[in-house]
Amino acid sequence: GAVVSQHPSWVICKSGTSVKIECRSLDFQATTMFWYRQFPKQSLMLMATSNEGSKATYEQGVEKDKFLINHASLTLSTLTVTSAHPEDSSFYICSAPSRMAFSGLKDEQFFGPGTRLTVL
Amino acid sequence: QKEVEQNSGPLSVPEGAIASLNCTYSDRVSQSFFWYRQYSGKSPELIMSIYSNGDKEDGRFTAQLNKASQYVSLLIRDSQPSDSATYLCAVKNYGGSQGNLIFGKGTKLSVKP
Repeated sequence: GAVVSQHPSWVICKSGTSVKIECRSLDFQATTMFWYRQFPKQSLMLMATSNEGSKATYEQGVEKDKFLINHASLTLSTLTVTSAHPEDSSFYICSAPSRMAFSGLKDEQFFGPGTRLTVL
Repeated sequence: QKEVEQNSGPLSVPEGAIASLNCTYSDRVSQSFFWYRQYSGKSPELIMSIYSNGDKEDGRFTAQLNKASQYVSLLIRDSQPSDSATYLCAVKNYGGSQGNLIFGKGTKLSVKP
């Protein structure tokens, strides 16, 4: 199956700093990527949809000025957590739909390995 | 608000038994359903996808879908200790973003040797 990578796998930073997380589709092009966040003992919650060549779409309650998303190419989306605070500590996971997703024949998504962010 | 509901568990079964995981969803127009397995500290891993009413079998796993009842289940036969994980039910969101998944909170499964 398709592979999605994320970098870094974990990061520890001081409060007030910014952190960039990269999500790459390694063997396929992804015009759309999804960014999810998972707090301890909670499920994955969609934060935003990253679209290549256009602005990201943010879910209600997610601050677009705090979580900057850039989808500069068909294989790379980045999420930058600006001025991170301890409450931003979470597991951030990106995913990309399979090539067939929009044809309706196959809706599977490929998840990256996740990035564990800890803000001190 | 579209929701996916699962019993949080933990569900404990002995090795070799059948584990039964259940999920209900609120959006009647949903067409695509998934079961993911997530080990602690790891990303979700796709176990099964199901799109039509009825059963779908893949090895020790069987997914069951009943759209009229808005119900999806996952059966794990001959459960192994390595199956111990949290199982997430997910439904494709047709009305919102371009095909994101809506996840349940997950059921924690423990298979005792």
